[in-house]
Amino acid sequence: NAGVTQTPKFRVLKTGQSMTLLCAQDMNHEYMYWYRQDPGMGLRLIHYSVGEGTTAKGEVPDGYNVSRLKKQNFLLGLESAAPSQTSVYFCASRQQLRDYYEQYFGPGTRLTVT
Amino acid sequence: RKEVEQDPGPFNVPEGATVAFNCTYSNSASQSFFWYRQDCRKEPKLLMSVYSSGNEDGRFTAQLNRASQYISLLIRDSKLSDSATYLCVPEGGGTGRRALTFGSGTRLQVQP
Repeated sequence: NAGVTQTPKFRVLKTGQSMTLLCAQDMNHEYMYWYRQDPGMGLRLIHYSVGEGTTAKGEVPDGYNVSRLKKQNFLLGLESAAPSQTSVYFCASRQQLRDYYEQYFGPGTRLTVT
Repeated sequence: RKEVEQDPGPFNVPEGATVAFNCTYSNSASQSFFWYRQDCRKEPKLLMSVYSSGNEDGRFTAQLNRASQYISLLIRDSKLSDSATYLCVPEGGGTGRRALTFGSGTRLQVQP
C-alpha cells in the first residue's frame, strides 16, 4: 500500500514549456486535490476532484489544467510554464465526505521554471 | 481578512517547555478543525482533529473557541522531534465542505 505517490519528484522547465504532474493513490479515495506551496505561504488549492471524471477550480487555478480519467489518478498540466509557477506541488486524497476528514498527502514535486 | 491567520513564529523553546499556538479563522460555518504538522520540505501530516470544544492526545491538546473563532494547540514537555511547522486547518472555505483551507503555519524550534 503506497498511499499517495507523485511523479516526478523534481523538474526544471524553461519558460513556455509544458509538462504534466502525475498523482496516484491506491486507497480508493473519491476526493483528490492539487496544492501549491510557496515560501512563507500556506498550501493553496489549485484544482480538486470529487470523483472520477469530475474536476473543479480551487483558489489559484489560472495557468493549470487537470484531468481525472481514472479514480486512482489525478493529473496536473502546465501548458505554458511561467517563472511564477516555480513552487512545490502537493497532491492529496481523502475518502468521500464523512465525519473523518484526514487528507493524505504525496511527497511533493519541486518545480523550477527558469 | 485572511481565512486563516497564524503567527508565523518561529517559537524557540527549550526541551521540556510548554508552548501554545493560536489560530483565528474567518468562516463561522466551519464545523471541523485540524492541526497538521509539516517537517521541512516534507508533506503535511495530520496531528489532531477537533470536532467539539477540544481534543487531547498525549502531550498535545487542541482547544476550540467558536465564539471568538480561534483554535489553539498546546504542546507539553516539548521534544526535539517536535520541531516543525504546525498548520491550522479549518474545514470549508470557498469550496464548502469539499476541501480544507490551510493556514501558512507556525514554526516551532525546540532547542536542547
